[in-house]
Amino acid sequence: SQELEQSPQSLIVQEGKNLTINCTSSKTLYGLYWYKQKYGEGLIFLMMLQKGGEEKSHEKITAKLDEKKQQSSLHITASQPSHAGIYLCGADRTGTASKLTFGTGTRLQVTL
Amino acid sequence: GAVVSQHPSRVICKSGTSVKIECRSLDFQATTMFWYRQFPKQSLMLMATSNEGSKATYEQGVEKDKFLINHASLTLSTLTVTSAHPEDSSFYICSARFGRNNEQFFGPGTRLTVL
Repeated sequence: SQELEQSPQSLIVQEGKNLTINCTSSKTLYGLYWYKQKYGEGLIFLMMLQKGGEEKSHEKITAKLDEKKQQSSLHITASQPSHAGIYLCGADRTGTASKLTFGTGTRLQVTL
Repeated sequence: GAVVSQHPSRVICKSGTSVKIECRSLDFQATTMFWYRQFPKQSLMLMATSNEGSKATYEQGVEKDKFLINHASLTLSTLTVTSAHPEDSSFYICSARFGRNNEQFFGPGTRLTVL
């Protein structure tokens, strides 16, 4: 079974709407990374969470890590077309920030 | 800061040839870089960890002789796909750690097509 599950797999939202993407691990994590990828391009670092209960925000994107450090959510407020892309969560299982294990990704489309 | 580049961005080669992909950290030194592979509509899979001045550490199932990694300096790691075959066609992405919390920053990727 997949060690890092993301949901939903794909999402279509109307511009201006809020949305949430979830990332669930079967094991406790040392750290959780969120990245955004446009098709055929590299990954853009969004945020990293390390502490249970931690929450970080950047512009209209907020990421949270639960107290048990097994589940994270990424919330986008008032979505814009520029938010479209593939969102990937990556898990640090070793505490060394190496060997990131990635989720299956969530493909986000924002319609006008 | 923390910019990682890759070259080339796209490469098409004939079956049996070898292809070299470069990964550079542009404004910082990286003792460790990582090479990932991504198939269409799938997530990234770590292939190997590239260590400056020493041998790379390969993940289970990755052929060392097929995917040669050289980390000759603190800003450059190279991945050579030897005797490439169509099944090696993929999107290859490198990353490097930077910052107080060792965040991984990724390059823009290299799309390899083997005919």
